[in-house]
Amino acid sequence: NAGVTQTPKFQVLKTGQSMTLQCAQDMNHNSMYWYRQDPGMGLRLIYYSASEGTTDKGEVPNGYNVSRLNKREFSLRLESAAPSQTSVYFCASSEGPFGRNEQFFGPGTRLTVL
Amino acid sequence: AQSVTQPDIHITVSEGASLELRCNYSYGATPYLFWYVQSPGQGLQLLLKYFSGDTLVQGIKGFEAEFKRSQSSFNLRKPSVHWSDAAEYFCAVGANNAGNMLTFGGGTRLMVKP
Repeated sequence: NAGVTQTPKFQVLKTGQSMTLQCAQDMNHNSMYWYRQDPGMGLRLIYYSASEGTTDKGEVPNGYNVSRLNKREFSLRLESAAPSQTSVYFCASSEGPFGRNEQFFGPGTRLTVL
Repeated sequence: AQSVTQPDIHITVSEGASLELRCNYSYGATPYLFWYVQSPGQGLQLLLKYFSGDTLVQGIKGFEAEFKRSQSSFNLRKPSVHWSDAAEYFCAVGANNAGNMLTFGGGTRLMVKP
């Protein structure tokens, strides 16, 4: 079991460029999440997908879009990158969407926007 | 909405010394509480969790945490720290209904002196 995998590991973009961060899980989990991590702010939820076919906004969704491609895959898209989106992005998955479900995290994508 | 505060941004302890990391939460009902650890360049790994029952919970790597409802706290402890414990630690609270995901504290970075 690979758990939660993310690609790429590192990315540098120029302001205005677009990109998609990929995430896949092999644990047959129903729910998936995208977080961003900034120094001193912990992890903040961008979007989540409670189950295949559904997506919802989290705490900081502006500037992002997501696609739940199938049960395994959940991608995060930046349409027009801004320097404020420089961050480390983590994908996570859990068996269900409730707060009691343990979330399993990927290794992260470090994104720099110049 | 729930919130989590980790008052200590940085803590330095000597190897072999005891450790306590503080976590205070705000939530109207009985929360689901988690401690995660993040080693440099890695994703988050679950150390332990509290849902109900015994207020002292044991986790991996020799960690334990105590839930104190009267103080709205869930402090993490370890009796003897090892150099490999140097990492960032995050406390998180989850609500018990769908649509309320994990809320993380800002994190505490632990450094271990030889």
